[in-house]
Amino acid sequence: AQKITQTQPGMFVQEKEAVTLDCTYDTSDPSYGLFWYKQPSSGEMIFLIYQGSYDQQNATEGRYSLNFQKARKSANLVISASQLGDSAMYFCAMSSRLYGNNRLAFGKGNQVVVIP
Amino acid sequence: GAVVSQHPSWVICKSGTSVKIECRSLDFQATTMFWYRQFPKQSLMLMATSNEGSKATYEQGVEKDKFLINHASLTLSTLTVTSAHPEDSSFYICSARLFDRGRKDTQYFGPGTRLTVL
Repeated sequence: AQKITQTQPGMFVQEKEAVTLDCTYDTSDPSYGLFWYKQPSSGEMIFLIYQGSYDQQNATEGRYSLNFQKARKSANLVISASQLGDSAMYFCAMSSRLYGNNRLAFGKGNQVVVIP
Repeated sequence: GAVVSQHPSWVICKSGTSVKIECRSLDFQATTMFWYRQFPKQSLMLMATSNEGSKATYEQGVEKDKFLINHASLTLSTLTVTSAHPEDSSFYICSARLFDRGRKDTQYFGPGTRLTVL
């Protein structure tokens, strides 16, 4: 089985500051993918960033970067220069061959509120 | 790129009726689509994996006769909630798998359908 853990309570972030969202995972598969999605109040799930287990470098996509620490099994999302539109739920997810057919296992999510 | 649409975005129906939800990948072909259910303030729960041209694979505890899935083409999957009851009220969201060889294998999500059964 694979498991994703997101335990931070809701967070308030000052606009223009950086925020780090924690995610730890557990899997016995050496080959896996890690994803972060953003879900604003409208409900849509927006893909943000991907990290493969064999990727040598941490993934970056614009203001999003993934702090991948394989030995610690953590994949924290860093959002730099927060904007009001970043207020949303953020979900960490993982896929692996062992889990089958690239199904995604999701964490419980982190609530972020950006304040002006 | 990688746009997924869902229709309808919301639906209200009477108990006992059936509701069909469509999920389309607009600018790519998806041999695999997924259907999720999400309760308020909770995470996504995978209901089933929809494979083009074959039967869907349901997660444990999901009634296949209750939630009928058809993946008739590489761009369309449908979820039909049969004989809906108030406990079926939820947010249903689909995703389509985009596999870019040599790069990554990612699911892109539709905007979701909010179902309310009276």
